[in-house]
Amino acid sequence: DAGVIQSPRHEVTEMGQEVTLRCKPISGHDYLFWYRQTMMRGLELLIYFNNNVPIDDSGMPEDRFSAKMPNASFSTLKIQPSEPRDSAVYFCASSYPRSRQETQYFGPGTRLLVL
Amino acid sequence: KNEVEQSPQNLTAQEGEFITINCSYSVGISALHWLQQHPGGGIVSLFMLSSGKKKHGRLIATINIQEKHSSLHITASHPRDSAVYICAFRQGAQKLVFGQGTRLTINP
Repeated sequence: DAGVIQSPRHEVTEMGQEVTLRCKPISGHDYLFWYRQTMMRGLELLIYFNNNVPIDDSGMPEDRFSAKMPNASFSTLKIQPSEPRDSAVYFCASSYPRSRQETQYFGPGTRLLVL
Repeated sequence: KNEVEQSPQNLTAQEGEFITINCSYSVGISALHWLQQHPGGGIVSLFMLSSGKKKHGRLIATINIQEKHSSLHITASHPRDSAVYICAFRQGAQKLVFGQGTRLTINP
């Protein structure tokens, strides 16, 4: 398996622009997580899905952030409008807890810079 | 106060030394994870623990549920072990709450 795939790997945009980050989880995994990592706050969970349904979005910072999972193989995280404080690395991860391994497999991340 | 505290924040050692990284948490948990973040940024899950001890190669993770404490040990450390090590506890079904990480540097 190719692992968790994220795109783009790097994104530079200007304040006010819409940003869409994409994630393809590992096939067969039924949990998908979006995380944000900054120097100040470390890794934080933004939202996670189970079987394409959002379960906990309490980490989504504000209404400018939205996430969708239209099917088992694709999810998006959208920021509209973007602000400089959104600059961070955004990770997607997936897992299959029923395997009892409960390991989360992380994608390579998208490094976002908002100017 | 952070729910997860790691120590030390930074650790530099010589190749071959025995390494210990500590993680303390303040709430009841269902499991604790240790993750490794490579210098290039990639994150790999090392262990998931709910009790006792687990070993994988030169890495050993222990947890004491009563004391709300976990340790990650590296035996015969090597420069390729240089990375940031992050502990995270699982809150509820799947939500992870992360520590700030320990930056480990192993010099040859």
